[in-house]
Amino acid sequence: AQTVTQSQPEMSVQEAETVTLSCTYDTSESDYYLFWYKQPPSRQMILVIRQEAYKQQNATENRFSVNFQKAAKSFSLKISDSQLGDAAMYFCGDFQGGSEKLVFGKGTKLTVNP
Amino acid sequence: DVKVTQSSRYLVKRTGEKVFLECVQDMDHENMFWYRQDPGLGLRLIYFSYDVKMKEKGDIPEGYSVSREKKERFSLILESASTNQTSMYLCASSPWTGRLAFFGQGTRLTVV
Repeated sequence: AQTVTQSQPEMSVQEAETVTLSCTYDTSESDYYLFWYKQPPSRQMILVIRQEAYKQQNATENRFSVNFQKAAKSFSLKISDSQLGDAAMYFCGDFQGGSEKLVFGKGTKLTVNP
Repeated sequence: DVKVTQSSRYLVKRTGEKVFLECVQDMDHENMFWYRQDPGLGLRLIYFSYDVKMKEKGDIPEGYSVSREKKERFSLILESASTNQTSMYLCASSPWTGRLAFFGQGTRLTVV
């Protein structure tokens, strides 16, 4: 079964500090993609970062980076220099190439304290 | 800009009504998805489609059906709405290449 697990329902961080959100996945496909999406109070889902499974190098987008551990099926998101605008729900997702199925975890609510 | 548009942002329906939630994308994407979002349960996949007239069950298809007659439009149907279907519904689309999902703004459905 294709499942995504986010074990931290809520996290908080001080402004300018670094926080790491955890995600593990379970997929039987060799062709898959992993994502982190952000959902602010406006409800619009925004792509934060994307990782192709065949790439060994960890993806980075400005202050956002991932730690992709393929053997451990782990995909954590690190947010550096946290800003108030980073406060949101964060969802980890897994897109299986064979079935074209995209599933998400339960989400982590991130609070950024000034 | 890719646009995924859901027909309503808020919707109130009565128990037993047939409800249609519409989703339209303008980027010629092959894949389209319907999710429901509930507090503490995250995004759960209801149905998805990888081509016109093709559909696959997701993780929670019970009580729902879908229709995809045209590539750009993917409809979610509640045949007989029930109060436990009160939720936020999100539509998404993605191309085969790139494997990147774009979301609509969500429909908050209340069944009374």
